[in-house]
Amino acid sequence: DGGITQSPKYLFRKEGQNVTLSCEQNLNHDAMYWYRQDPGQGLRLIYYSQIVNDFQKGDIAEGYSVSREKKESFPLTVTSAQKNPTAFYLCASSIAGETDTQYFGPGTRLTVL
Amino acid sequence: DQQVKQNSPSLSVQEGRISILNCDYTNSMFDYFLWYKKYPAEGPTFLISISSIKDKNEDGRFTVFLNKSAKHLSLHIVPSQPGDSAVYFCAAISRAGSEKLVFGKGTKLTVNP
Repeated sequence: DGGITQSPKYLFRKEGQNVTLSCEQNLNHDAMYWYRQDPGQGLRLIYYSQIVNDFQKGDIAEGYSVSREKKESFPLTVTSAQKNPTAFYLCASSIAGETDTQYFGPGTRLTVL
Repeated sequence: DQQVKQNSPSLSVQEGRISILNCDYTNSMFDYFLWYKKYPAEGPTFLISISSIKDKNEDGRFTVFLNKSAKHLSLHIVPSQPGDSAVYFCAAISRAGSEKLVFGKGTKLTVNP
């Protein structure tokens, strides 16, 4: 079964701690994306990567970092610098050049206590 | 500055009736539009799309209409079913220029049995 997996589904962390959210895909997609969703808000782009070892900031990159060492994986680190980290985080992927056709993972709900 | 606007945060309809979800955009460079459906604690799934060269696209019970002069699109669901209850996101992209999808804030549709 091809798809995108995000783990864990729910994550709790203490304030001031960095936390890394996992995103893995076996769709052989070159492009991957991280979004954040808050209640009553649309999806806001945090970071995206069109190819391995390259990534760009999205609209709300402050307080986040990413890496893209492997095609299948695009982990997101929520650092202590992110002022409001509690949110629902969504990872997506697409074929390179087909940004309009993104496939989403199931999401991770991060709660910072 | 919101480039994609869904002004109705929620909509409630009776089973069997028509659901009409609206979306407005401000960026005239957008040339491709999509609707995503999202259940709670899950990732969005693609529903239907339309290119700016068309004014209508139909897929089963779902039809999207595009009015370029008004910068407005709408999603019609006929007949509505309780399983259609979800949050619907409108998204847009300029295929020629951008690597980013821009999402609206979503409309929560409730279909009552």
